[in-house]
Amino acid sequence: DAGITQSPRHKVTETGTPVTLRCHQTENHRYMYWYRQDPGHGLRLIHYSYGVKDTDKGEVSDGYSVSRSKTEDFLLTLESATSSQTSVYFCAISSGRAEAFFGQGTRLTVV
Amino acid sequence: GQQVMQIPQYQHVQEGEDFTTYCNSSTTLSNIQWYKQRPGGHPVFLIQLVKSGEVKKQKRLTFQFGEAKKNSSLHITATQTTDVGTYFCADLTGTASKLTFGTGTRLQVTL
Repeated sequence: DAGITQSPRHKVTETGTPVTLRCHQTENHRYMYWYRQDPGHGLRLIHYSYGVKDTDKGEVSDGYSVSRSKTEDFLLTLESATSSQTSVYFCAISSGRAEAFFGQGTRLTVV
Repeated sequence: GQQVMQIPQYQHVQEGEDFTTYCNSSTTLSNIQWYKQRPGGHPVFLIQLVKSGEVKKQKRLTFQFGEAKKNSSLHITATQTTDVGTYFCADLTGTASKLTFGTGTRLQVTL
């Protein structure tokens, strides 16, 4: 498996609190992605990165921010978590015009 | 924005029957990738199609890219219980390698 690790794997947090999810890779891939997966909605792109400090919004970016200060780490932050952000979050990495490798996912519950 | 829809959303087949999922886009697709996600798992890359009209085979799986590059399909011949999972198409676009997923088709196979 590609060297990609998500942390934490599970988290329960309260509404209104900030939450940061981490994606760490050891493959030196340029492109990194954050998705959320909800029943009936497939995988929806939140934000993606095409290099250090280079990020762009996906289709469901409201309420989320990201940072990529080094190649190996891509952080997803929920500034003030809401119940609608309860989901499974996947990070993916890619070298470009090739396959993407996914992390194991983070199950986030906002109560 | 781009919408990538897959039909059907769900299909239940008897083992040995064939299965097809269709991926349709409102805009021209660039590079189509297909992924499989087993229950409780993360998406795993199957194949990438780049050229208009391209057909690729992997054992019992046949992948096609439409002539107009607005649709793609995955056909499984003689399904097995190991084919159970959700199949996603994804469009890889732009210089920033934005990867947008379709809504997915969940396949259930019973004996």
